[in-house]
Amino acid sequence: AQSVTQPDIHITVSEGASLELRCNYSYGATPYLFWYVQSPGQGLQLLLKYFSGDTLVQGIKGFEAEFKRSQSSFNLRKPSVHWSDAAEYFCATGSARQLTFGSGTQLTVLP
Amino acid sequence: GAVVSQHPSWVICKSGTSVKIECRSLDFQATTMFWYRQFPKQSLMLMATSNEGSKATYEQGVEKDKFLINHASLTLSTLTVTSAHPEDSSFYICSADTDRLYEQYFGPGTRLTVT
Repeated sequence: AQSVTQPDIHITVSEGASLELRCNYSYGATPYLFWYVQSPGQGLQLLLKYFSGDTLVQGIKGFEAEFKRSQSSFNLRKPSVHWSDAAEYFCATGSARQLTFGSGTQLTVLP
Repeated sequence: GAVVSQHPSWVICKSGTSVKIECRSLDFQATTMFWYRQFPKQSLMLMATSNEGSKATYEQGVEKDKFLINHASLTLSTLTVTSAHPEDSSFYICSADTDRLYEQYFGPGTRLTVT
């Protein structure tokens, strides 16, 4: 069965610093991979997705993610974090029109 | 585009009563809608998949008689929590499937508190 692991429960970075959130997937074939962001008490917003092709994916709000099959990873990155990026981030994989979410990573941004 | 709304955004009800949550796709037609449940500081757990005009498909462990789902039109799905108990208190989020493969758009969620 497909699964997604987010090893980091909580990450704290200073505003302006770079960010990398880790995501590892377990799936036999090429997975469909997503990153979502959730602000407190809100629904989820899609940051970016990977289906096939170029392994470096650009998303909204300056985020990007790189698909690495050899490492079974799909890590999310941002070169310079803004205070408004503080939120919960979920990696997800999709199959048969269903999404399986990781446990999430809470991002705190220090001024 | 691709906006999903939920109503109400939060609701408090007494134990034993029922509460209905609406999920609407505002600017597109959704043949499939999904209902998730999220506990504090936890991830989303899929409860059921709702297809317009047919019965919902529930995930293992989800009581279909307690969580009634109706997908009456291409823009509306409802989740009714029947005979609610305090353990049903949670954040319920819906999403809608577009015609783009595996792309779901999420509603803002409904906070249910059962007292």
